[in-house]
Amino acid sequence: EDQVTQSPEALRLQEGESSSLNCSYTVSGLRGLFWYRQDPGKGPEFLFTLYSAGEEKEKERLKATLTKKESFLHITAPKPEDSATYLCAVIDYGQNFVFGPGTRLSVLP
Amino acid sequence: DGGITQSPKYLFRKEGQNVTLSCEQNLNHDAMYWYRQDPGQGLRLIYYSQIVNDFQKGDIAEGYSVSREKKESFPLTVTSAQKNPTAFYLCASSAYPKTSGAAGEQFFGPGTRLTVL
Repeated sequence: EDQVTQSPEALRLQEGESSSLNCSYTVSGLRGLFWYRQDPGKGPEFLFTLYSAGEEKEKERLKATLTKKESFLHITAPKPEDSATYLCAVIDYGQNFVFGPGTRLSVLP
Repeated sequence: DGGITQSPKYLFRKEGQNVTLSCEQNLNHDAMYWYRQDPGQGLRLIYYSQIVNDFQKGDIAEGYSVSREKKESFPLTVTSAQKNPTAFYLCASSAYPKTSGAAGEQFFGPGTRLTVL
């Protein structure tokens, strides 16, 4: 059975303090790994798809990387508006889609 | 603009009532999904549909029903059999990987918050 865990559960950063969020996965044949951002009371917003180990994607202050067992979401010089819950999800070749529990990020001014 | 719409944004239900949540997409996606999210919790899959007139139960289907009569629409009914329906409901859609070549990333609507009075 596919599984996704995320750490830490919650993270508080000062504005400008870079850090990384972790997504560890166990999947029978990874078709893709996805990162989403969710603001309170809203639907998740799609950020990235990663397909294979070694791949990297960037968007503004965010960079997602992928290894064979985990993915990292690096946040460089975060701003308060980056505060949100970040969700990781995987899909396997059997079309099974599994979400992780998320990391709640707070960036303090 | 292409996207997913959900209505209403807020919904109040009395005990014993059935209520229906609407989800419409104009992304031409084959697959659609319903999730439930409780405060501080992750997403739990209720039902999904990969093609019109066909749908499958997810992890927490009891007390819910769906229909998929049109590609664009996937309404969710919360029945009186669902004993604890107060939650945030999210609808999503995706291109079906086998036919589109996409990875299957899901795109979400804005959500409906259901409260039982």
